[in-house]
Amino acid sequence: DAGITQSPRHKVTETGTPVTLRCHQTENHRYMYWYRQDPGHGLRLIHYSYGVKDTDKGEVSDGYSVSRSKTEDFLLTLESATSSQTSVYFCAIGRVQETQYFGPGTRLLVL
Amino acid sequence: GIQVEQSPPDLILQEGANSTLRCNFSDSVNNLQWFHQNPWGQLINLFYIPSGTKQNGRLSATTVATERYSLLYISSSQTTDSGVYFCAVEQGAQKLVFGQGTRLTINP
Repeated sequence: DAGITQSPRHKVTETGTPVTLRCHQTENHRYMYWYRQDPGHGLRLIHYSYGVKDTDKGEVSDGYSVSRSKTEDFLLTLESATSSQTSVYFCAIGRVQETQYFGPGTRLLVL
Repeated sequence: GIQVEQSPPDLILQEGANSTLRCNFSDSVNNLQWFHQNPWGQLINLFYIPSGTKQNGRLSATTVATERYSLLYISSSQTTDSGVYFCAVEQGAQKLVFGQGTRLTINP
């Protein structure tokens, strides 16, 4: 299994509070991704990174920001959480032209 | 953007049965992948298959890019095959678009 961890694994927060999710990899992959999974929508890309300090937006990036200061860490921040951001968040590594490996996911509930 | 449709949305089978899952996409693609999400939520890559046929044990996949579809075959189903199967296609650099998945339930 690819060495990908996500933290926290579960989080409950209140509307309007900032939230940061962390993805950590030990595979030294250049490419890292954040997806959200919601019933009826499958997985949707939020942001991705193609190197340290290099990021780009995905399909559903509004309300989210990301940072990558080290190869191994990719952070997803909800600046002011809303109930519509209640979801399961998955981190992935690996180029889409090859094989992607997913982390275990983070369940976020925004009350 | 590209549309990805999977069918059927749900499939319930007895252990030992064979199944075929379909993925249709609305535009030509350079890249297609199949994933399995187990009942505990873990996502596993099954195949990277932009065209042609690949096999891995009881699973095989075929993509006919010119006709814009891919098929995932599962033979001699086991209860551990239960879960949701997703196909995903590349839309632009480094962006995968996922279908909504097929939920497969294998009963003992």
